[in-house]
Amino acid sequence: SQTIHQWPATLVQPVGSPLSLECTVEGTSNPNLYWYRQAAGRGLQLLFYSVGIGQISSEVPQNLSASRPQDRQFILSSKKLLLSDSGFYLCAWRLRGVGYTFGSGTRLTVV
Amino acid sequence: GENVEQHPSTLSVQEGDSAVIKCTYSDSASNYFPWYKQELGKGPQLIIDIRSNVGEKKDQRIAVTLNKTAKHFSLHITETQPEDSAVYFCAAYSGAGSYQLTFGKGTKLSVIP
Repeated sequence: SQTIHQWPATLVQPVGSPLSLECTVEGTSNPNLYWYRQAAGRGLQLLFYSVGIGQISSEVPQNLSASRPQDRQFILSSKKLLLSDSGFYLCAWRLRGVGYTFGSGTRLTVV
Repeated sequence: GENVEQHPSTLSVQEGDSAVIKCTYSDSASNYFPWYKQELGKGPQLIIDIRSNVGEKKDQRIAVTLNKTAKHFSLHITETQPEDSAVYFCAAYSGAGSYQLTFGKGTKLSVIP
């Protein structure tokens, strides 16, 4: 069966520090992969999506970047965090014809 | 692109009553409509979905209806229980050429014991 792993679950980082969040998918190949951010009490904001290795599409200009070094690995990064980067980050995968499966999320607090 | 509107933003019901959440979409090419439930501190979980060739789908206490002509779809939860309290998101997927779902802004459902 397919599973998605996302870590860490929580993270507290100082302003100006770097960030690396990792997401891996098991039990499937060539999925579409997505990074979403959710501010407190708000909806889901699509940050990046990828349809294949090395293929990244950005939905909003921001302080973040994404990479897909392997078929089932998706990484969200920042060189210097801002206070506004705080939020709940969700990774998701999708195969054609079905809905997303979300990871358990990472709660990021920038202090 | 697709635009999904979701109402209401908050909904409180007494335990045992029914809850209805409504969504409208703009792209007539959309053909897949999932609903997600997000509990506090967790990722959204798919609870039910419907495709454009179906008008209604049920799964125990949950049902979804789709009106393609009016471009709206609804989630119905009957005999609500406290564990139904969560944020619910609707979404729409436009077929070929699109790679992502478009989500509504969510409805916070509170079931009062």
